[in-house]
Amino acid sequence: QKEVEQNSGPLSVPEGAIASLNCTYSDRVSQSFFWYRQYSGKSPELIMSIYSNGDKEDGRFTAQLNKASQYVSLLIRDSQPSDSATYLCAVSRNAGNMLTFGGGTRLMVKP
Amino acid sequence: DTAVSQTPKYLVTQMGNDKSIKCEQNLGHDTMYWYKQDSKKFLKIMFSYNNKELIINETVPNRFSPKSPDKAHLNLHINSLELGDSAVYFCASSLRVNTEAFFGQGTRLTVV
Repeated sequence: QKEVEQNSGPLSVPEGAIASLNCTYSDRVSQSFFWYRQYSGKSPELIMSIYSNGDKEDGRFTAQLNKASQYVSLLIRDSQPSDSATYLCAVSRNAGNMLTFGGGTRLMVKP
Repeated sequence: DTAVSQTPKYLVTQMGNDKSIKCEQNLGHDTMYWYKQDSKKFLKIMFSYNNKELIINETVPNRFSPKSPDKAHLNLHINSLELGDSAVYFCASSLRVNTEAFFGQGTRLTVV
């Protein structure tokens, strides 16, 4: 079992719809959770961080964390073609520094 | 000003050569990392440095060695390059362990 798992996609949504991206992790002691966006040929850029159970909203983005289910998700409201990219989930423990990435989900927003 | 900068952006070299990639951050962060992204786009951590001390060394070949002259710099040296080393290498930094990491623009290494 991979430490951090994501569906590779592509996930295709029409412009204006809500895109839902999911991530599961295997290590129960994970404490910090991040979503990154990576455009083709570019470096990953941080979108959201979340540390406690529940929802965290930032503009059109909402991160959701459920530690009991070892599940973190990212919702993108009013999806735009410019949101088309690969979204990477990253998980970190408290002990040491193990920022581990999932394989990413490719999102395609169709005009 | 670029927060995390790495050079060169592209590196093409022959098998067996030794090469280095440089990384500098001007964010005042304590922790720096090297990641390798392969052709399947999977990002794998290679090294992590916190206040100049190596705190994680993943199971990478010992041909790869990180060098940190100070906490703002973490360079990657690769000896005896192999075809399988071809990938994009990203440097990153974070304020401290387990906080969000910020990435450099990447170095695309091609071994021929």
